[in-house]
Amino acid sequence: SYVLTQPPSLSVAPGQTARISCGGNDIGSYSVHWYQQKPGQAPVLVVFDNNRRPSGIPKRFSGTNSGVTVTLTISRVEAGDEADYYCQVWDSGGDHVVFGGGTKLTVL
Amino acid sequence: QITLRESGPPLVRPTQTLTLTCSISGFSLRSSGVGVGWVRQPPGGALEWLALIYWDETKRYRPPLQSRLSISKDTSRNQVVLTMTNMAAADTATYSCAHTTGDGYFDLWGRGTLVTVSA
Repeated sequence: SYVLTQPPSLSVAPGQTARISCGGNDIGSYSVHWYQQKPGQAPVLVVFDNNRRPSGIPKRFSGTNSGVTVTLTISRVEAGDEADYYCQVWDSGGDHVVFGGGTKLTVL
Repeated sequence: QITLRESGPPLVRPTQTLTLTCSISGFSLRSSGVGVGWVRQPPGGALEWLALIYWDETKRYRPPLQSRLSISKDTSRNQVVLTMTNMAAADTATYSCAHTTGDGYFDLWGRGTLVTVSA
């Protein structure tokens, strides 16, 4: 089955840019979605279809899918951005949902 | 306003069957394209998708767990029910339901319910 790979952790200073990667075989052919999950809270969709933001999500959150690399970028990182971030795709080949292993973002 | 709320037993014994209910409001399970999925998360672990049911009764399951899972909906009661058989300690997790419009992602989630499997 399809596998999405994320770095387990990332540390960034406030005001800097966080870039969280998500890797998978032929990932350029997938629409990738990103969720933010703060401790004790439900996941929140922050980017869908590679680079689209739901209403209410700050423009600081953006996504790219270059065909080889998929990245969630958080600009001007704030303390409130500290959370776990998960990428996700719909694997049409297997007809099911796949999540990455998650990346814990720490704001120094 | 779309909301989802999970309910179920906080504790189940090994080998028992778990039944969870997702009560929805703000949308209809009859609406074209609409679906509800179940996702679990072990303590300190990652999100793991389990099952999905669409407005037209189409169902999808996580392949390794397919033989243990069953998802159904009661449109009149605005509920989606997930059952998982032969529960084991490794199934201890927070179980959440989430809404999808059929575009491959979950745009709204319930808060989840913690299920512990222990004798």
